[in-house]
Amino acid sequence: EAGVAQSPRYKIIEKRQSVAFWCNPISGHATLYWYQQILGQGPKLLIQFQNNGVVDDSQLPKDRFSAERLKGVDSTLKIQPAKLEDSAVYLCASSLEAPLSNSNEQFFGPGTRLTVL
Amino acid sequence: SQQGEEDPQALSIQEGENATMNCSYKTSINNLQWYRQNSGRGLVHLILIRSNEREKHSGRLRVTLDTSKKSSSLLITASRAADTASYFCATDLDDYKLSFGAGTTVTVRA
Repeated sequence: EAGVAQSPRYKIIEKRQSVAFWCNPISGHATLYWYQQILGQGPKLLIQFQNNGVVDDSQLPKDRFSAERLKGVDSTLKIQPAKLEDSAVYLCASSLEAPLSNSNEQFFGPGTRLTVL
Repeated sequence: SQQGEEDPQALSIQEGENATMNCSYKTSINNLQWYRQNSGRGLVHLILIRSNEREKHSGRLRVTLDTSKKSSSLLITASRAADTASYFCATDLDDYKLSFGAGTTVTVRA
């Protein structure tokens, strides 16, 4: 079974530039999550999708961050414009839709390490 | 805000020794999960314990849950160099979202 794919793995940009990250979840996983993990901290949920609908984006800084999952499969997360404090690893995770899973085991991709200079 | 807090922040042990780390949380949970993260990688699910369970085993891992104290512990027995990683507890608040702690960094010395 293929895992969660993310690209790029690394990205370095100047502040005020834009950047986009891509995620392809495990086939059949309806739920997709984007997390931000700052160095030395645990992952913080940014947004949760169920199929192509947003379940929770309460922690997403909507003035600069946006995310979409148009066809209920792949997802992109965009930052525009980036700030220094956005330097972090951005993790994508997926899980089975709730009725099909009696737990919320999440499967994570390798992450994209973003450095904002 | 993060629901769980791991303790200690860092742990260094000799190969073959046991490693124990603790997690405390604030509100009632549906289940609690432990994940491992190797340097530069994504998180890997280790074990899940439900709120009505008190102890669970998986290979060299033993997890306990005390809902009255709102705490959990992860024990890794007979540690190996490959166990060097960060370990995170994550609480599931019954809404299919996980809240992660800041993690415990474990270093296993050969």
